[in-house]
Amino acid sequence: DTGVSQDPRHKITKRGQNVTFRCDPISEHNRLYWYRQTLGQGPEFLTYFQNEAQLEKSRLLSDRFSAERPKGSFSTLEIQRTEQGDSAMYLCASSPTTGYYGYTFGSGTRLTVV
Amino acid sequence: AQTVTQSQPEMSVQEAETVTLSCTYDTSESDYYLFWYKQPPSRQMILVIRQEAYKQQNATENRFSVNFQKAAKSFSLKISDSQLGDAAMYFCAYGGTSYGKLTFGQGTILTVHP
Repeated sequence: DTGVSQDPRHKITKRGQNVTFRCDPISEHNRLYWYRQTLGQGPEFLTYFQNEAQLEKSRLLSDRFSAERPKGSFSTLEIQRTEQGDSAMYLCASSPTTGYYGYTFGSGTRLTVV
Repeated sequence: AQTVTQSQPEMSVQEAETVTLSCTYDTSESDYYLFWYKQPPSRQMILVIRQEAYKQQNATENRFSVNFQKAAKSFSLKISDSQLGDAAMYFCAYGGTSYGKLTFGQGTILTVHP
Protein backbone atom coordinates (compact mmCIF):
# COMPACT_ATOMS: atom_id res chain seq x y z
CA ASP A 1 0.00 0.00 0.00
CA THR A 2 1.92 2.98 -1.27
CA GLY A 3 -0.63 5.77 -1.38
CA VAL A 4 -4.17 6.93 -1.96
CA SER A 5 -5.69 5.38 -5.05
CA GLN A 6 -8.54 6.87 -7.06
CA ASP A 7 -10.52 5.31 -9.85
CA PRO A 8 -11.17 6.19 -12.59
CA ARG A 9 -8.53 8.76 -13.48
CA HIS A 10 -10.75 10.35 -16.08
CA LYS A 11 -14.49 10.24 -16.67
CA ILE A 12 -16.47 11.83 -19.47
CA THR A 13 -20.22 11.74 -19.08
CA LYS A 14 -23.26 13.28 -20.64
CA ARG A 15 -25.25 15.84 -18.72
CA GLY A 16 -27.94 14.18 -16.68
CA GLN A 17 -26.10 10.90 -16.18
CA ASN A 18 -24.99 9.57 -12.78
CA VAL A 19 -21.32 8.95 -12.03
CA THR A 20 -19.52 7.23 -9.18
CA PHE A 21 -15.90 7.60 -8.15
CA ARG A 22 -13.92 5.38 -5.83
CA CYS A 23 -11.14 6.18 -3.40
CA ASP A 24 -8.93 3.67 -1.61
CA PRO A 25 -7.06 5.34 1.25
CA ILE A 26 -3.80 4.33 2.88
CA SER A 27 -4.82 1.24 4.81
CA GLU A 28 -3.94 2.43 8.31
CA HIS A 29 -5.62 5.83 7.89
CA ASN A 30 -8.92 6.31 9.69
CA ARG A 31 -9.88 9.56 8.02
CA LEU A 32 -10.84 10.06 4.40
CA TYR A 33 -11.59 13.36 2.68
CA TRP A 34 -13.14 14.45 -0.59
CA TYR A 35 -12.27 17.75 -2.28
CA ARG A 36 -13.30 19.33 -5.56
CA GLN A 37 -10.83 21.36 -7.62
CA THR A 38 -11.89 23.41 -10.63
CA LEU A 39 -9.34 24.48 -13.20
CA GLY A 40 -6.84 26.99 -11.88
CA GLN A 41 -8.31 27.04 -8.39
CA GLY A 42 -7.46 25.52 -5.03
CA PRO A 43 -9.22 22.41 -3.79
CA GLU A 44 -12.51 22.96 -1.95
CA PHE A 45 -13.53 20.66 0.86
CA LEU A 46 -16.62 18.52 0.26
CA THR A 47 -16.84 15.99 3.08
CA TYR A 48 -14.86 13.70 5.34
CA PHE A 49 -15.20 10.42 7.17
CA GLN A 50 -13.69 8.99 10.28
CA ASN A 51 -13.93 5.27 9.78
CA GLU A 52 -17.47 4.79 8.41
CA ALA A 53 -18.95 7.90 10.03
CA GLN A 54 -19.41 10.99 7.87
CA LEU A 55 -18.32 13.77 10.25
CA GLU A 56 -18.63 16.90 8.16
CA LYS A 57 -20.26 17.95 4.91
CA SER A 58 -19.71 21.21 3.06
CA ARG A 59 -22.64 23.24 1.80
CA LEU A 60 -21.03 22.65 -1.61
CA LEU A 61 -22.27 19.08 -1.34
CA SER A 62 -25.70 19.50 -2.86
CA ASP A 63 -28.47 16.93 -2.74
CA ARG A 64 -27.15 15.46 -5.97
CA PHE A 65 -23.94 14.44 -4.26
CA SER A 66 -23.61 11.53 -1.88
CA ALA A 67 -20.55 9.94 -0.33
CA GLU A 68 -20.23 6.67 1.53
CA ARG A 69 -17.58 4.72 3.33
CA PRO A 70 -19.51 1.62 4.30
CA LYS A 71 -16.82 -0.46 5.96
CA GLY A 72 -14.43 2.26 6.95
CA SER A 73 -12.07 1.38 4.13
CA PHE A 74 -12.71 2.61 0.59
CA SER A 75 -15.14 5.41 -0.17
CA THR A 76 -17.39 6.27 -3.08
CA LEU A 77 -18.60 9.66 -4.24
CA GLU A 78 -21.70 9.64 -6.43
CA ILE A 79 -23.04 12.55 -8.43
CA GLN A 80 -26.57 12.19 -9.70
CA ARG A 81 -28.00 14.06 -12.69
CA THR A 82 -24.67 15.60 -13.57
CA GLU A 83 -24.49 19.20 -14.72
CA GLN A 84 -21.77 20.98 -16.69
CA GLY A 85 -20.81 22.84 -13.53
CA ASP A 86 -19.81 19.54 -11.97
CA SER A 87 -16.85 19.32 -14.33
CA ALA A 88 -13.80 19.37 -12.06
CA MET A 89 -11.06 17.29 -10.53
CA TYR A 90 -12.30 15.30 -7.54
CA LEU A 91 -9.52 14.68 -5.05
CA CYS A 92 -9.45 12.17 -2.24
CA ALA A 93 -7.10 12.33 0.72
CA SER A 94 -6.56 10.24 3.82
CA SER A 95 -4.88 10.76 7.16
CA PRO A 96 -4.47 9.25 10.60
CA THR A 97 -7.05 10.30 13.18
CA THR A 98 -4.79 12.67 15.02
CA GLY A 99 -2.55 15.25 13.49
CA TYR A 100 -1.80 16.18 9.94
CA TYR A 101 1.27 14.00 9.61
CA GLY A 102 0.72 11.63 6.76
CA TYR A 103 -2.17 13.61 5.21
CA THR A 104 -1.89 12.22 1.68
CA PHE A 105 -3.72 13.10 -1.52
CA GLY A 106 -4.58 10.83 -4.40
CA SER A 107 -4.07 11.76 -8.04
CA GLY A 108 -7.73 12.63 -8.48
CA THR A 109 -10.55 11.80 -10.87
CA ARG A 110 -11.09 14.34 -13.61
CA LEU A 111 -14.77 14.61 -14.53
CA THR A 112 -15.91 16.21 -17.75
CA VAL A 113 -19.64 16.68 -18.26
CA VAL A 114 -20.60 17.26 -21.90
CA ALA B 1 -14.77 30.55 8.83
CA GLN B 2 -11.15 30.48 7.87
CA THR B 3 -9.96 32.01 4.62
CA VAL B 4 -6.65 31.77 2.80
CA THR B 5 -5.53 34.31 0.23
CA GLN B 6 -2.71 34.05 -2.28
CA SER B 7 -2.39 37.38 -4.03
CA GLN B 8 0.14 36.31 -6.67
CA PRO B 9 -1.55 34.33 -9.45
CA GLU B 10 1.79 33.82 -11.19
CA MET B 11 5.46 34.13 -10.31
CA SER B 12 8.61 33.41 -12.23
CA VAL B 13 12.23 32.86 -11.24
CA GLN B 14 15.51 32.10 -12.91
CA GLU B 15 17.06 28.75 -12.17
CA ALA B 16 19.35 28.89 -9.10
CA GLU B 17 17.76 32.08 -7.82
CA THR B 18 15.39 32.66 -4.90
CA VAL B 19 11.68 33.33 -5.04
CA THR B 20 9.11 34.08 -2.34
CA LEU B 21 5.43 33.17 -2.57
CA SER B 22 2.97 35.05 -0.39
CA CYS B 23 0.01 33.85 1.63
CA THR B 24 -2.26 35.49 4.15
CA TYR B 25 -5.01 33.88 6.15
CA ASP B 26 -7.77 34.78 8.51
CA THR B 27 -8.81 32.80 11.56
CA SER B 28 -10.12 33.29 15.06
CA GLU B 29 -8.35 30.20 16.35
CA SER B 30 -5.16 30.52 18.35
CA ASP B 31 -3.74 27.13 17.43
CA TYR B 32 -3.68 25.78 13.90
CA TYR B 33 -1.45 24.46 11.15
CA LEU B 34 -0.31 26.00 7.90
CA PHE B 35 0.94 24.18 4.84
CA TRP B 36 2.42 24.74 1.44
CA TYR B 37 1.54 22.16 -1.19
CA LYS B 38 2.97 21.72 -4.67
CA GLN B 39 0.85 20.46 -7.55
CA PRO B 40 2.73 19.76 -10.79
CA PRO B 41 0.59 19.68 -13.94
CA SER B 42 -1.72 16.67 -13.94
CA ARG B 43 -0.07 15.25 -10.88
CA GLN B 44 -1.02 14.82 -7.28
CA MET B 45 -0.75 17.34 -4.47
CA ILE B 46 2.53 17.02 -2.59
CA LEU B 47 3.30 18.52 0.82
CA VAL B 48 6.22 20.92 0.68
CA ILE B 49 6.37 22.21 4.23
CA ARG B 50 4.27 22.40 7.39
CA GLN B 51 4.18 24.99 10.19
CA GLU B 52 2.52 24.60 13.56
CA ALA B 53 1.20 27.92 14.81
CA TYR B 54 2.37 27.39 18.39
CA LYS B 55 5.96 27.06 17.22
CA GLN B 56 7.73 30.37 16.87
CA GLN B 57 10.57 28.91 14.84
CA ASN B 58 10.04 29.03 11.11
CA ALA B 59 9.93 25.62 9.43
CA THR B 60 12.66 24.64 6.97
CA GLU B 61 12.90 21.72 4.58
CA ASN B 62 16.10 21.75 2.55
CA ARG B 63 15.70 24.56 -0.02
CA PHE B 64 12.25 25.48 1.24
CA SER B 65 11.62 27.74 4.22
CA VAL B 66 8.73 29.78 5.52
CA ASN B 67 8.35 33.19 7.09
CA PHE B 68 5.52 32.78 9.59
CA GLN B 69 4.21 36.01 11.05
CA LYS B 70 1.37 34.99 13.39
CA ALA B 71 0.29 38.49 14.38
CA ALA B 72 0.12 39.58 10.77
CA LYS B 73 -1.45 36.25 9.72
CA SER B 74 1.13 35.89 7.01
CA PHE B 75 2.83 32.71 5.83
CA SER B 76 5.23 33.07 2.91
CA LEU B 77 7.28 30.36 1.22
CA LYS B 78 10.86 30.97 0.15
CA ILE B 79 12.42 28.66 -2.41
CA SER B 80 16.18 28.97 -2.61
CA ASP B 81 18.39 27.75 -5.45
CA SER B 82 15.31 27.22 -7.64
CA GLN B 83 15.35 24.18 -9.88
CA LEU B 84 13.41 23.40 -13.05
CA GLY B 85 11.54 20.71 -11.13
CA ASP B 86 10.13 23.34 -8.78
CA ALA B 87 7.83 24.57 -11.55
CA ALA B 88 4.27 23.86 -10.44
CA MET B 89 1.16 25.36 -8.88
CA TYR B 90 1.75 26.11 -5.20
CA PHE B 91 -1.08 26.20 -2.71
CA CYS B 92 -1.11 27.61 0.78
CA ALA B 93 -3.48 25.77 3.13
CA TYR B 94 -4.87 26.13 6.64
CA GLY B 95 -5.79 23.31 9.01
CA GLY B 96 -7.51 23.62 12.37
CA THR B 97 -6.94 21.55 15.47
CA SER B 98 -9.80 19.21 14.63
CA TYR B 99 -7.29 17.72 12.16
CA GLY B 100 -9.96 17.53 9.51
CA LYS B 101 -10.46 19.61 6.40
CA LEU B 102 -7.89 21.88 4.88
CA THR B 103 -8.78 25.30 3.51
CA PHE B 104 -6.75 26.21 0.43
CA GLY B 105 -5.80 29.45 -1.24
CA GLN B 106 -6.28 30.09 -4.94
CA GLY B 107 -2.77 29.03 -5.85
CA THR B 108 0.32 30.59 -7.42
CA ILE B 109 1.76 29.25 -10.67
CA LEU B 110 5.54 29.19 -10.44
CA THR B 111 7.58 29.18 -13.64
CA VAL B 112 11.31 28.46 -13.48
CA HIS B 113 13.39 29.76 -16.38
CA PRO B 114 16.63 27.97 -17.33
